[in-house]
This record gives sequence, C-alpha cells and structure tokens, in this order.
Amino acid sequence: TQLLEQSPQFLSIQEGENLTVYCNSSSVFSSLQWYRQEPGEGPVLLVTVVTGGEVKKLKRLTFQFGDARKDSSLHITAAQPGDTGLYLCAGASGTYKYIFGTGTRLKVLA
Amino acid sequence: SAVISQKPSRDICQRGTSLTIQCQVDSQVTMMFWYRQQPGQSLTLIATANQGSEATYESGFVIDKFPISRPNLTFSTLTVSNMSPEDSSIYLCSVGGLHKNIQYFGAGTRLSVL
Repeated sequence: TQLLEQSPQFLSIQEGENLTVYCNSSSVFSSLQWYRQEPGEGPVLLVTVVTGGEVKKLKRLTFQFGDARKDSSLHITAAQPGDTGLYLCAGASGTYKYIFGTGTRLKVLA
Repeated sequence: SAVISQKPSRDICQRGTSLTIQCQVDSQVTMMFWYRQQPGQSLTLIATANQGSEATYESGFVIDKFPISRPNLTFSTLTVSNMSPEDSSIYLCSVGGLHKNIQYFGAGTRLSVL
C-alpha cells in the first residue's frame, strides 16, 4: 500500500517566519503534486514536480522533489496570513489517480 | 481550467436514508473521480467514474454503498446509501484529462448524518 506521510501535522507561526513541510513515502512516484485547501473549498493545485531533484518556485513557495522520487518538501518564505490552509501532497498512482498525503494544517498569525 | 459545480453544497440527513450528490463540469473531461474527506483529514479516493460503464472502486468502497453514475463526459453522481453517522464527511468530485498532470476539484459536499 502506498502511503504519503506529511510532517508536521499542524503548524502555527507568526507572519514573516519561514517554514518547511515534508512529504515522505517508501514508494516511488512518477510525479508529485502539492495542493492547498481552504475551508469550504476543494483543493487547488499549486505545483506538479516530475523529475527527481527538481526544484520549482512559485513566488514565496519553493517545492523540491527528492532525487529518488519518494519524498518532497514545500518551503514557504516570509509566511503571510493568506498562506493559511491545509497543504496536501499527492503522488501519482496511475493516470490521473493520486494518493494524497496526510495533510499539514498551517495557520499564519498576523 | 475547469469549472466544477457540486450540488448540494451541504446537507444534514437522517440515518438510514440516501443522498445523491451531483457533479457538473463546464467541459468534456476524460476522467472523473469521487473522494471522501473525513473531518480534519486528507482525501481518500472512493472511485473513478467511467463514462458508459461501471465505476472502478478503491479498496474499502463498494457499489452497493456508493453507487455512481456517469451518463456523459460532463456529469456524474455519487449516492451515499443507507447512511450512518460514520458517513459524515466532505465528498469531493474531481476531473482530469483537460491538462496534463492537472486535476481540478469541486468545492465539495459537506454531509452530516444524524
């Protein structure tokens, strides 16, 4: 069974701080995605990483795919209250079929 | 992108009844999926809705409990049958196939079973 463990599970930080969320598995994935979900909404795709070692940047967010394609990280620089939400990683398990991680709930305090 | 409409957005139901959730997409899509998200938790795939044939269910989910229809490439329904309080969750529809590696989600249906 493919599992994706995220850490930390919960994170509460002050505005302006940096943070890193980790997504780990014992399985290899052909690609991995990161989503953010806000209350009352469905998850919204932030990024897809495909190549081992790949790094992608989206404004203050930096995503990295592990060399072995088993893990990933999301780093947020100078967090803002608007970054608050549930962050989910998802590994490709087939064509458009994804296994979702356990989730990291982030709260950024003003 | 795709615009996905789910109805109802929320409902409160009695134990033993059934609820059908609708998912409408504004364009034809190859893949449609149904997920469950229990309170404070991540998403679990229930099934892939196949157009013109029976849905493909994941381990732990069965057709009798979660019958799914997909009559065309823009619409699908999920029924939660004979509900119990353990079925209280957010049910999400998603679509894929419009753009490579991108899956779009509806806003979800928040179900509470008393």
